[in-house]
Amino acid sequence: DAGVTQSPTHLIKTRGQQVTLRCSPKSGHDTVSWYQQALGQGPQFIFQYYEEEERQRGNFPDRFSGHQFPNYSSELNVNALLLGDSALYLCASSSRSTGLSYEQYFGPGTRLTVT
Amino acid sequence: AQSVSQHNHHVILSEAASLELGCNYSYGGTVNLFWYVQYPGQHLQLLLKYFSGDPLVKGIKGFEAEFIKSKFSFNLRKPSVQWSDTAEYFCAVNAPGGYQKVTFGIGTKLQVIP
Repeated sequence: DAGVTQSPTHLIKTRGQQVTLRCSPKSGHDTVSWYQQALGQGPQFIFQYYEEEERQRGNFPDRFSGHQFPNYSSELNVNALLLGDSALYLCASSSRSTGLSYEQYFGPGTRLTVT
Repeated sequence: AQSVSQHNHHVILSEAASLELGCNYSYGGTVNLFWYVQYPGQHLQLLLKYFSGDPLVKGIKGFEAEFIKSKFSFNLRKPSVQWSDTAEYFCAVNAPGGYQKVTFGIGTKLQVIP
């Protein structure tokens, strides 16, 4: 049973560029949440997708956008990158349809470095 | 808005010592509470959770946590730590119902010395 997978593992971008991160949820899961974890901090909620719609959003600017596909996989897009966007980006999946939407399984993360 | 406070950012213990990591949350209503662990080089894993019922919950690897509603606390405990418990521990909270975000604390790094 494959867990949550994320790609790429590491990424280096320049200020002003755009980046797309990808996530495949655990088998049987239908909900995907994205988090940003800066160095020395806990994960900060970015947004959650269910049924291909953004259902809840944290305190992140519109430069952060996402998408969920019919197969439940998801993308996180960040435009106009800033140095402060350097962080570990975590994807978490859960199953809303089974009533266990709060039991999240996390992927290994994508380490984004903005120079 | 929800918030989570973890009081100890870095804890160093010897093997067999007892562990208690503090967690307090701020939220006026019913909450779900979680402890996650991140072992070196691994991703976040759910250690234990509280949704309702018995306020003393048991998780994996001998960990337990007690929900004290009057104190808005959900402290993590283990009677005797092992070197393999060296990891970072995160307390988290969310409000049940709807599409509720999960709010994490800053984390506590636990180092167990053999």
